[in-house]
Amino acid sequence: DAGVIQSPRHEVTEMGQEVTLRCKPISGHDYLFWYRQTMMRGLELLIYFNNNVPIDDSGMPEDRFSAKMPNASFSTLKIQPSEPRDSAVYFCASSLVTAGDEQFFGPGTRLTVL
Amino acid sequence: GEDVEQSLFLSVREGDSSVINCTYTDSSSTYLYWYKQEPGAGLQLLTYIFSNMDMKQDQRLTVLLNKKDKHLSLRIADTQTGDSAIYFCAESSNTGGFKTIFGAGTRLFVKA
Repeated sequence: DAGVIQSPRHEVTEMGQEVTLRCKPISGHDYLFWYRQTMMRGLELLIYFNNNVPIDDSGMPEDRFSAKMPNASFSTLKIQPSEPRDSAVYFCASSLVTAGDEQFFGPGTRLTVL
Repeated sequence: GEDVEQSLFLSVREGDSSVINCTYTDSSSTYLYWYKQEPGAGLQLLTYIFSNMDMKQDQRLTVLLNKKDKHLSLRIADTQTGDSAIYFCAESSNTGGFKTIFGAGTRLFVKA
């Protein structure tokens, strides 16, 4: 398996624009997680899904953030409108059976909002 | 809610041992993990320990768990420059459904 795939790897956009980050989890994994990493706040869990259903979105910072998982092999994280403070590295991860299992992380998307 | 705390920085000389410490609050933790993040990459599981164990050794890595004090440590023997990375402590439990809580990460600097 190729591991967790994220795209794009880098995104530079201007304030107010819509940003969509994409993730393909490892095939057969039931759980998918979205994290955000910054120097100031460390690693933050934004939302996670079980079998394509959102389970806990309490980490989503604002209504500007939304996440979907239309099928078992694809998820998106959308920010609309984007703001400079959204600049961070966004990671997608997946795990096999439970949210407590080993998580396999993608390489991340580095987002810069100017 | 549950919390995992670890110091933010550690600096050691090449060849010395590194000890990264972590404390957690959830007394029903089932698994405790150490993840490693190298520059420009995602986190990768380094090692883990079940909560009913006190110690686990894997080559240069030794994990110690003090369940009474809710303290976890990772010792890296003969630290190399390639060990420079961010190390994340994490715990998972089945409290209200399995969930993994990550610490903020300890940035390890290895001086040649």
